[in-house]
Amino acid sequence: AQTVTQSQPEMSVQEAETVTLSCTYDTSESDYYLFWYKQPPSRQMILVIRQEAYKQQNATENRFSVNFQKAAKSFSLKISDSQLGDAAMYFCAYRSNYGQNFVFGPGTRLSVLP
Amino acid sequence: DTGVSQNPRHKITKRGQNVTFRCDPISEHNRLYWYRQTLGQGPEFLTYFQNEAQLEKSRLLSDRFSAERPKGSFSTLEIQRTEQGDSAMYLCASRGQGASTEAFFGQGTRLTVV
Repeated sequence: AQTVTQSQPEMSVQEAETVTLSCTYDTSESDYYLFWYKQPPSRQMILVIRQEAYKQQNATENRFSVNFQKAAKSFSLKISDSQLGDAAMYFCAYRSNYGQNFVFGPGTRLSVLP
Repeated sequence: DTGVSQNPRHKITKRGQNVTFRCDPISEHNRLYWYRQTLGQGPEFLTYFQNEAQLEKSRLLSDRFSAERPKGSFSTLEIQRTEQGDSAMYLCASRGQGASTEAFFGQGTRLTVV
């Protein structure tokens, strides 16, 4: 079974600075998708960014980018120019191309300091 | 509002009572998921529907849990004879066509069993 690990339970960053959240996963499959979701306090989870494993190019969405290292099974999220609204729980998720289930990591709580 | 809608938002029940939650997915989405999330943890998969067919169930889904999606639109999750360990946030998500599409989450139903 696939597993997703996020080794940083909590992180903090100064407003306008850059922070990187780590994620590693375990799978024997070669075709899959990776996601970062953001869950603000008492609000629903929303997608931040996604990466298809067959794409070598790292995904980028405005201030959010990933460092996808397929051989190392690593999928980190970099947030540039951090804003107060970025404060939330961030979950890394995996989905196989051969299944439907999303497997989530335990999450990283990000605080943004003014 | 075209997002995923869950009702009720909060439910407090006495141990041993039955509870039912409802999820209305995004209208054009044929895939629907139920997840359970405890405090400080990532969502754990419970079950998956494609249209009205329940195609996957987690081992977490004991005999006291049942889910339905009778017409391939809204879904219900029922917990019978609730236990204190059932206290959690129950999340519903829906997903559209395409292999790489993400899941869109509702705001969840927070269940407290007293």
